[in-house]
Amino acid sequence: GAVVSQHPSRVICKSGTSVKIECRSLDFQATTMFWYRQFPKQSLMLMATSNEGSKATYEQGVEKDKFLINHASLTLSTLTVTSAHPEDSSFYICSARGSGRASSEQYFGPGTRLTVT
Amino acid sequence: AQKITQTQPGMFVQEKEAVTLDCTYDTSDPSYGLFWYKQPSSGEMIFLIYQGSYDQQNATEGRYSLNFQKARKSANLVISASQLGDSAMYFCAMREGWAGNTPLVFGKGTRLSVIA
Repeated sequence: GAVVSQHPSRVICKSGTSVKIECRSLDFQATTMFWYRQFPKQSLMLMATSNEGSKATYEQGVEKDKFLINHASLTLSTLTVTSAHPEDSSFYICSARGSGRASSEQYFGPGTRLTVT
Repeated sequence: AQKITQTQPGMFVQEKEAVTLDCTYDTSDPSYGLFWYKQPSSGEMIFLIYQGSYDQQNATEGRYSLNFQKARKSANLVISASQLGDSAMYFCAMREGWAGNTPLVFGKGTRLSVIA
């Protein structure tokens, strides 16, 4: 099946610094990528939808100036957490949707665990 | 209103037995897809099974089957012959419409524990 990678898998940063998370579709072109956040023992919450070559669409309550999303190519989307704070510590998962038939083609990356100290 | 409801925070099942994980959904869109994912402690989301709203038959994938009751808006996951490796969080999700930029919306999940 299709593969989506995320890098890094785990990152620890100091409060006030910025962290960039990469999401790549390895063997298909992802016209749309989704970014989710998951707090411990909770479900996945959609943060934003990014389409290649256009601005991301953010969910209500998600600060677009804090969570910068760039989808510059059909295989790469990045999420930058700017001026991170401890409350941003979470598990971030990207999901990529291919440009083919719109049925079950949605694949998840392995996730990035962010800890802000 | 919740679009996906999973009412069982936790479930226990004996090894080799079958278990049903409940999922109900809410949508007014006639075109939608229903998904089940498994999330082990590593965090990765593992796709298990998919059911389209127009599919006439219940989806099956190996030991997984989806009991699709459209009139009741339920999409329960049935795992047959449970194995210890099935212990994980299970999420039901829905995508409304067929547009390429429609995200999956997830339920709160059910933690399944398989007992030897």
